[in-house]
Amino acid sequence: EDQVTQSPEALRLQEGESSSLNCSYTVSGLRGLFWYRQDPGKGPEFLFTLYSAGEEKEKERLKATLTKKESFLHITAPKPEDSATYLCAVQARGGNTPLVFGKGTRLSVIA
Amino acid sequence: DGGITQSPKYLFRKEGQNVTLSCEQNLNHDAMYWYRQDPGQGLRLIYYSQIVNDFQKGDIAEGYSVSREKKESFPLTVTSAQKNPTAFYLCASSIRQGKETQYFGPGTRLLVL
Repeated sequence: EDQVTQSPEALRLQEGESSSLNCSYTVSGLRGLFWYRQDPGKGPEFLFTLYSAGEEKEKERLKATLTKKESFLHITAPKPEDSATYLCAVQARGGNTPLVFGKGTRLSVIA
Repeated sequence: DGGITQSPKYLFRKEGQNVTLSCEQNLNHDAMYWYRQDPGQGLRLIYYSQIVNDFQKGDIAEGYSVSREKKESFPLTVTSAQKNPTAFYLCASSIRQGKETQYFGPGTRLLVL
């Protein structure tokens, strides 16, 4: 069974304090790994898709990396507006396989 | 602006009542999805549709029904058989089912009176 585990469940950072969020996964052949940002009471906003180990993608203060077992979302010099829940999802190869989501990491950045 | 719209933002259901959540997209996407989100849990797939007039059950389809009569629309009905319907419901779409990134709507919060 495909599984996604995100850690930590919650993270509190001071403004400017860089850190990383972890997404560990087990999947029978990875087709893609997805990162989303979700603000309270809103739908998830797409951030990145990673397809193969070693791939990296960046957007502003965020950088996503991928290995064969996990993905990291690095946040450099975060600002209060980066506060949100970050969701990770994986999709397995083969047929029409659905996304499997982790429970998310709730990030709070304090000014 | 292209995107996904969901309505209403809040919906209240009485005991024994069926309610329908609307999802519309103007992205010309073939595939559409419905997810349920509960506090402290990951998104769970209810139903998905790859093409008009076709849909498949997800992990938690019991107590729900869908239709896909138009490419742009994928309404979800929460029936009286769903005993614990209180949740945040999210609709998503992708260019096609399988590989492309899914984009989400703003969500509908369903509450039971």
